[in-house]
Order: sequence, then structure tokens, then C-alpha cells
Amino acid sequence: NAGVTQTPKFQVLKTGQSMTLQCAQDMNHEYMSWYRQDPGMGLRLIHYSVGAGITDQGEVPNGYNVSRSTTEDFPLRLLSAAPSQTSVYFCACAAGSSGANVLTFGAGSRLTVL
Amino acid sequence: AQKITQTQPGMFVQEKEAVTLDCTYDTSDPSYGLFWYKQPSSGEMIFLIYQGSYDQQNATEGRYSLNFQKARKSANLVISASQLGDSAMYFCAMRQHNTDKLIFGTGTRLQVFP
Repeated sequence: NAGVTQTPKFQVLKTGQSMTLQCAQDMNHEYMSWYRQDPGMGLRLIHYSVGAGITDQGEVPNGYNVSRSTTEDFPLRLLSAAPSQTSVYFCACAAGSSGANVLTFGAGSRLTVL
Repeated sequence: AQKITQTQPGMFVQEKEAVTLDCTYDTSDPSYGLFWYKQPSSGEMIFLIYQGSYDQQNATEGRYSLNFQKARKSANLVISASQLGDSAMYFCAMRQHNTDKLIFGTGTRLQVFP
């Protein structure tokens, strides 16, 4: 049981390049989300999804796109990377979006934009 | 709007002593949940403990307990009998039940010394 799998673990981009961070979960969880972690800022919610075909914006959505075509996958796309997007990105999922549903996190993806 | 505040950027505690990590929150929703996560230097996010706003008793999980003071809007994490392996970043988070968003504080770095 892999849980939440993020790829790649490390990536270096040049300003203006595009890329997709992949997130896959095998727990059949409806809720999936993406966070970025920056020093002194904690984890900030980028986008989230409460089920296949449904996505919504979090606290810091600008510069990022998401889609949810299946329950298992929730990719995060950077269309034109900027140095401000240098961060560690976490994908997380939960059985539901309310109550005591606990988020299970992936191992993180470290992105550097030059 | 919901907000989580962790005012202690860093804390030190001697092994075997107890330590309290502070967390205050702001919400207008009477129904919400509070979470604590641990992030060791390896980077993964580990769920520790959950408290619902209507729970009558403070949550406990092994050496972790949550000092929930609803009127003060605080949800402090108490770690008893600290161990060297408790050295990590600790994040408080909140989910209002009328949203699907789990919002994190900026974290507290705990260092346990022998």
C-alpha cells in the first residue's frame, strides 16, 4: 500500500519553463490537495479537490493549475515557472473534506526555479 | 476567515521534561476541527492528534495531549516525557466545517536536548 506518491522528488527549472508535479493515491480517497511549504510560512494551500471532476482554489492559487479526472490522480501544473515558485510541494489526501478526516501526505517534491 | 497562529518559532526542552507548543485560532464557525502534525528533519508530515470543537474532553494520544480552551480559542499541544526523537517542526492546523480547507500555522521548531 503506497499511500500518496509524488513525482518527481526534485526538479530544477528555468524561469518560464512549464512542468507538472504528479500525485497519485491508492487509498480511494475523495479529497486531495496541494500545499507549498516555504521557510517561516508554514504550509499554504494551493488547490484542492473534493472528488473527480471538482477542483477549487486555496490560499495561493496564482501560477498553478490542477485537474482531477480520476479519483487517484491530482496533478499540479506550473505553466510558466517563476523564481517565487521555488518551494517544497506536498500533495495530501483524505477520505473526506470535513470533520476528523486526517490528511495523509506524500513525501514532498522540492522545486527550484532559476 | 479562518486563521491559525503559532507564536513560538522555536522551543527547547530537556529530555524527559514536558513541553507545551502554543496554537491560537480564529474562526466564526462554531463547528471546526483542530489538528497537530509533526515534521521531522526527513521532511514527512506525520499526524499526531485531532480535537473537534464539540468534543467535551481534551484529546490524548499516548504522550501527546491537546489543551483545548474553546473560549480562548487556543489548542496547545502538550508533549510529556520528551524524547530526542521529538525534535522536529510542529504544525497546528484547522478545518472549519463549512469549508473544505485545512489551514496550517507557521510552525514551531522543537529541539530536545539530553
